[in-house]
Amino acid sequence: EIVLTQSPDFQSVTPKEKVTITCRASQRIGNALHWYQQKPNQSPKLLIKYASQSFSGVPSRFSGSGSGTDFTLTINSLEAEDAATYYCHQSSSFTSMYTFGQGTKLEIK
Amino acid sequence: QVQLVQSGAEVRKPGASLKISCKASGYTFTSYSIHWVRQAPGQSLEWMGWINADNAKTKYSEKFQDRVTITTDTSASTAYMELRSLRSEDTAVFYCARSTGSYYDYWGQGTLVTVSS
Repeated sequence: EIVLTQSPDFQSVTPKEKVTITCRASQRIGNALHWYQQKPNQSPKLLIKYASQSFSGVPSRFSGSGSGTDFTLTINSLEAEDAATYYCHQSSSFTSMYTFGQGTKLEIK
Repeated sequence: QVQLVQSGAEVRKPGASLKISCKASGYTFTSYSIHWVRQAPGQSLEWMGWINADNAKTKYSEKFQDRVTITTDTSASTAYMELRSLRSEDTAVFYCARSTGSYYDYWGQGTLVTVSS
């Protein structure tokens, strides 16, 4: 099983700050890494697909990068509405098995 | 617009089974796969398995393989997830999600399952 490890687990940030969340895969997965945002009592929402492609309708302050085993989600100029838990997710075609990271909770001060 | 609408909350006793439905609309059902994800209270997302809605081929997580069955009714554009031998750790919200085979672009609203004696 491919394990995804996110860091940090929790971060408290102020509005307009820049935030970086990392996700490390236990095996190389190319660019088969996606990012989701989940607010309390809501379903997850897709932000970034294939490591760096923004999903339709997602604000431009969200961006992704990386390939292989190391990936990054960046939120530029954080807004209050970005308070949520963020998850990375891998979809390696080699295994057809999928896994999620443990999540990173963002608190807005 | 694409929608995945799941069946309502369930309460079961340990050892029982349940079957959750996920009705799709707004797209060609057989052009995508449906995945199921479990989220225990305060925990991360946990992938359970998926079904190719075109050919009904399935793949399950090793963790759930012995207890889960995912099926579809293409005439009703609906996917189902059956989970057997329920235990307390199955108290969770279960989501269905649409996939092209990689990312999940649409999710159901979630179904809360409570397992308690």
